[in-house]
Amino acid sequence: DAKTTQPTSMDCAEGRAANLPCNHSTISGNEYVYWYRQIHSQGPQYIIHGLKNNETNEMASLIITEDRKSSTLILPHATLRDTAVYYCIVRPTGGGNKLTFGTGTQLKVEL
Amino acid sequence: GAVVSQHPSRVICKSGTSVKIECRSLDFQATTMFWYRQFPKQSLMLMATSNEGSKATYEQGVEKDKFLINHASLTLSTLTVTSAHPEDSSFYICSARRRENEKLFFGSGTQLSVL
Repeated sequence: DAKTTQPTSMDCAEGRAANLPCNHSTISGNEYVYWYRQIHSQGPQYIIHGLKNNETNEMASLIITEDRKSSTLILPHATLRDTAVYYCIVRPTGGGNKLTFGTGTQLKVEL
Repeated sequence: GAVVSQHPSRVICKSGTSVKIECRSLDFQATTMFWYRQFPKQSLMLMATSNEGSKATYEQGVEKDKFLINHASLTLSTLTVTSAHPEDSSFYICSARRRENEKLFFGSGTQLSVL
């Protein structure tokens, strides 16, 4: 499975954009990049996913580099409720699509 | 979005007893469900893949006789921790998807404390 690398932690001021980077240099051509987040003591919440093109939904935007070796999750206007651990995951095709979670990035949004 | 319900949210039991955790997909049929375990300040670790109507597939190092998984219907999977011991205390989380290559939806987790 393609491995991902994320910073351990990041801080962001409330109302500002939070940009969370992820490296996935061994990603294969048909593997998707998924982002989930986990608020303390809860199950992970799906945020967004993409293959090649940039994606946007009501929660966030996902920017994937042209070579697909890295991506950035953007929360356009972070709030205190966005404080969570954010996981960038490369989902393999086939094999049951098991999602393997790395250590993620602890995002702390502060006033 | 799709909802996955997990019950109970918290359970405390005595050492040596068995505990059953239920995972239900409320508004879709889940051919596959996954069970994860998470220790404090660590990431989620996949324990097993549960396929409806067949035996679960366990990850390396996970004891299948200790963590019994049943996926008898398209909306329900259960995880039974048999003869629980304090080292089994953890946060257990299930997830489900409709079909292959679709996104996973997660339950809210079960905090198991074994005394």
